[in-house]
Amino acid sequence: DAKTTQPPSMDCAEGRAANLPCNHSTISGNEYVYWYRQIHSQGPQYIIHGLKNNETNEMASLIITEDRKSSTLILPHATLRDTAVYYCIVGREYGNKLVFGAGTILRVKS
Amino acid sequence: KAGVTQTPRYLIKTRGQQVTLSCSPISGHRSVSWYQQTPGQGLQFLFEYFSETQRNKGNFPGRFSGRQFSNSRSEMNVSTLELGDSALYLCASSLAGEGGYTFGSGTRLTVV
Repeated sequence: DAKTTQPPSMDCAEGRAANLPCNHSTISGNEYVYWYRQIHSQGPQYIIHGLKNNETNEMASLIITEDRKSSTLILPHATLRDTAVYYCIVGREYGNKLVFGAGTILRVKS
Repeated sequence: KAGVTQTPRYLIKTRGQQVTLSCSPISGHRSVSWYQQTPGQGLQFLFEYFSETQRNKGNFPGRFSGRQFSNSRSEMNVSTLELGDSALYLCASSLAGEGGYTFGSGTRLTVV
């Protein structure tokens, strides 16, 4: 499975958009980009995933570059409850063994 | 709908003992995966079961094993416990193994 690179930490002001980048330059054609987050002491929470088109759901938007080598997760109006570790993972659609890296610690501040 | 249920939530065991952890997936989900989370190694994949068959396996010693029952409930077993097995063990389920897994809250195992 392709590896991902994320910044170790980011800060965001409450109410502003949080843009979390991820590099996945070795992604192959049939691999998806998945985003999860983990709030302290809880299990990871699935946020969104995509193949090549931009995706949006009630939690976030996922922007994937045309060459698919990088992506950005956007939380449109961050709240204090969005403070968590965000993981960008690349993998197949089925039969995944999710390979979690260190992720990005997002701190939302009031 | 009910989420992924893991039992017990906390467990303390002694070195050399064995332990069994349980996971009940979301109703209708047939894929169950297990992960180990430690401060040093982060989240690591243990194995995935689909329709009672192990479909994927991570790089863990044979002391770690699992199984899945016909109702999709899964158990993982760790034999001959070592101090380094102290971790949060997480179970995740999905309909057929597609990537949007739902995780449980985990079982925190402490080996003393």
